[in-house]
Amino acid sequence: NAGVTQTPKFRILKIGQSMTLQCTQDMNHNYMYWYRQDPGMGLKLIYYSVGAGITDKGEVPNGYNVSRSTTEDFPLRLELAAPSQTSVYFCAISPNRDRGNEQFFGPGTRLTVL
Amino acid sequence: GNSVTQMEGPVTLSEEAFLTINCTYTATGYPSLFWYVQYPGEGLQLLLKATKADDKGSNKGFEATYRKETTSFHLEKGSVQVSDSAVYFCALYLNRDDKIIFGKGTRLHILP
Repeated sequence: NAGVTQTPKFRILKIGQSMTLQCTQDMNHNYMYWYRQDPGMGLKLIYYSVGAGITDKGEVPNGYNVSRSTTEDFPLRLELAAPSQTSVYFCAISPNRDRGNEQFFGPGTRLTVL
Repeated sequence: GNSVTQMEGPVTLSEEAFLTINCTYTATGYPSLFWYVQYPGEGLQLLLKATKADDKGSNKGFEATYRKETTSFHLEKGSVQVSDSAVYFCALYLNRDDKIIFGKGTRLHILP
């Protein structure tokens, strides 16, 4: 998956626990995105970033936080895990607007909250 | 607002059958259009794209033509294989935005 690394691959959390999902890229792309994909459903955008130091909310940001201190890393933080956050989380990157913004996806993190 | 509508799945076909997955869009402007594929247990991969009207994107035997007059970008393949079983997402991107809008996905099952 084109230079996008996500860790961990799987995680089980208890309600109220916190965790950080890591996303790292080695393609020097400015744009980074976090999506969640619920079972049998499409993608929903959580947060995105157009460059280091800049982040913005997507469609479903509640319960999550992000930071972008470097071009390479875009961690997603869950502060108080809830069962509704059980999902597969994908990080994606893209170069810039001139490339039509095609996105390259990481392999995903499967999170279960019990 | 901007949106993508694609046919509901699952779609089940026999090997070597002809495939069409319909996709239509609503957009204020002139979007780029994409088809992404997600194989079981993996992230999405770009399958093909078209950036302007009448462009045809093609890859791995799949193709789709950007039809501005019907606001459509239907995915086709002449002879599907079992290995094409996956979820297919239609998507659009507008230059003034910083994000892609995805359809809900269509699951494709190919029977041997």
